[in-house]
Amino acid sequence: GQNIDQPTEMTATEGAIVQINCTYQTSGFNGLFWYQQHAGEAPTFLSYNVLDGLEEKGRFSSFLSRSKGYSYLLLKELQMKDSASYLCAVLDSNYQLIWGAGTKLIIKP
Amino acid sequence: ETGVTQTPRHLVMGMTNKKSLKCEQHLGHNAMYWYKQSAKKPLELMFVYNFKEQTENNSVPSRFSPECPNSSHLFLHLHTLQPEDSALYLCASSPGGDLNTDTQYFGPGTRLTVL
Repeated sequence: GQNIDQPTEMTATEGAIVQINCTYQTSGFNGLFWYQQHAGEAPTFLSYNVLDGLEEKGRFSSFLSRSKGYSYLLLKELQMKDSASYLCAVLDSNYQLIWGAGTKLIIKP
Repeated sequence: ETGVTQTPRHLVMGMTNKKSLKCEQHLGHNAMYWYKQSAKKPLELMFVYNFKEQTENNSVPSRFSPECPNSSHLFLHLHTLQPEDSALYLCASSPGGDLNTDTQYFGPGTRLTVL
């Protein structure tokens, strides 16, 4: 079967750095997405990785290792507004998006 | 300001009711999607329309009926739902044409409660 694993919940401190991991087992791979979803709001696109390595966008970076079936989202200089759920999703060989259940990130002052 | 809007934002209905969810996108996209999001579960893709043609129907019960009159509007008609259908229903759109690597843009969702 196809599976996306990410931690259910994480807690971090304002101003710190946090890494949210995502591991996947899918039938093929055509890219990995990260989305942010604040409570009661729409998921919003953060990043797309299809090649190995690190993609940086301001305070957020996303890393991919296809050989390990692994990605992480790195958030630096955490702000209270970063409290949200972070969704990992993989495009499989049929270009179907397989979603993880999301990681709820709690930021404490 | 989201380019994808959904109405209503909240809906409570009985199992014998008939209701409809509406989604509208203002992004000039050609593909639209319905997802179901239950607490602590992955997003479940329900339906996909590309250029108004349904391309995916992931074994969704017939009590959910989609309608896509044009590329900007998508409806989900609901009838005789069950309490386990209570969830957040998300609409998304993407440029379409080639769905392969489209980035999807989501609406805020309709929080549905079935009594």
